[in-house]
Amino acid sequence: DIVLTQSPLSLPVTPGEPASISCRSSQSLLHSNGNNYLDWYLQKPGQSPQLLIYLGSNRASGVPDRFSGSGSGTDFTLRISRVEAEDVGVYYCMQSVQSSSFTFGPGTRVEIK
Amino acid sequence: EVQLVQSGPEVKKPGESLRISCKGSGFTLSNYWINWVRQKPGKGLEWMGRIDPLDSYTHYYSPSFQGHITISADKSINTAYLQWSSLKASDSAIYYCTRLNDFWSANYWGQGTLVTVSS
Repeated sequence: DIVLTQSPLSLPVTPGEPASISCRSSQSLLHSNGNNYLDWYLQKPGQSPQLLIYLGSNRASGVPDRFSGSGSGTDFTLRISRVEAEDVGVYYCMQSVQSSSFTFGPGTRVEIK
Repeated sequence: EVQLVQSGPEVKKPGESLRISCKGSGFTLSNYWINWVRQKPGKGLEWMGRIDPLDSYTHYYSPSFQGHITISADKSINTAYLQWSSLKASDSAIYYCTRLNDFWSANYWGQGTLVTVSS
């Protein structure tokens, strides 16, 4: 199975400042069709997770443009250009290149300093 | 409006069977793959498996859950299911169903079903 690791696991942030989270995969997530099958999800406290970024760098519908995703192969990054209070929660990366078995990363908890 | 509405919380004893449901509205379930995801209390997300509701025969399970759960669907009532034949205390968790888009991303999530297994 593909293993995803995230860093950091805990991220205190200051509103208005940038933040970034790394997701690394034990195998390449680049499919032969040219897409990287790596998503980012945010689970706000007490809520179901929501999709932020799909295929490594595409913002999902309704996601603010302060969120961006980048990377290819085994190394990916989620960036928040200016953190807002509503961005607190746990961020997960998930791979789906292995169509028979998806996996999530361990999660990164983002909290306001 | 697309929605996934899951069945309510359950309290069961070890060894009992259980089936929880996920009803789609605002779309035709058989046109989309459906995932199930587990979240134990205070822990992260775990992918359990997925099903193609169009034929209900095409499904995949995580090795961690293979043999312990069954994912099924009834396209006539736009509903997917997750079931256990013999629950364990370690199955206590919130279970989410999700709808996958064309890029295998879970762009819609149910509200979650809390399952508590205790003697």
